[in-house]
Amino acid sequence: AQSVTQPDIHITVSEGASLELRCNYSYGATPYLFWYVQSPGQGLQLLLKYFSGDTLVQGIKGFEAEFKRSQSSFNLRKPSVHWSDAAEYFCAVVPYGGSQGNLIFGKGTKLSVKP
Amino acid sequence: KAGVTQTPRYLIKTRGQQVTLSCSPISGHRSVSWYQQTPGQGLQFLFEYFSETQRNKGNFPGRFSGRQFSNSRSEMNVSTLELGDSALYLCASSLGQGVANEKLFFGSGTQLSVL
Repeated sequence: AQSVTQPDIHITVSEGASLELRCNYSYGATPYLFWYVQSPGQGLQLLLKYFSGDTLVQGIKGFEAEFKRSQSSFNLRKPSVHWSDAAEYFCAVVPYGGSQGNLIFGKGTKLSVKP
Repeated sequence: KAGVTQTPRYLIKTRGQQVTLSCSPISGHRSVSWYQQTPGQGLQFLFEYFSETQRNKGNFPGRFSGRQFSNSRSEMNVSTLELGDSALYLCASSLGQGVANEKLFFGSGTQLSVL
């Protein structure tokens, strides 16, 4: 079945430490891939997206993600976490050929940041 | 430029009632999508409209319906409310020109509580 998996429900990191959030997808063809962030009580904000080309994608707020076809993964990374990064992070896909508005989301990873 | 506006922000209803939620997209955006967010099921796609036509529909019962007006504003309606319909309903808008060329913008959502 087509799915998006975020294996970590909750992650806690210290401020200044590096971060990696995992995302795996299960689709026949490589879908369009996205990472969104949601702060409490807010909507979602796009961090970055991958459609094709360079497999290392740079986003806003110092985030980057690497697409690995062989592992069906699209992991999000940040070299040094700030307290303001505490939020919930969602990996999402649009199946190849699908439309922008029809996102399929993972269950999300909640990030807590220790001072 | 104003962002995606959803009204009301909070809503309390009782079982069996119906509810209408409103979404005003960013000016110039012709595509509007709706998502339901619950702690258990996460973010699930409800439907997508483009130029007043429903382009995609998620796997929800017929009690959930929507429409889009000529000014791109959208409403969604839920009839015969059930306790399980309690959720944050998110609306997102985009230009509607295709996944690779644009960005989806989310509103802050309407928090619906069904008692």
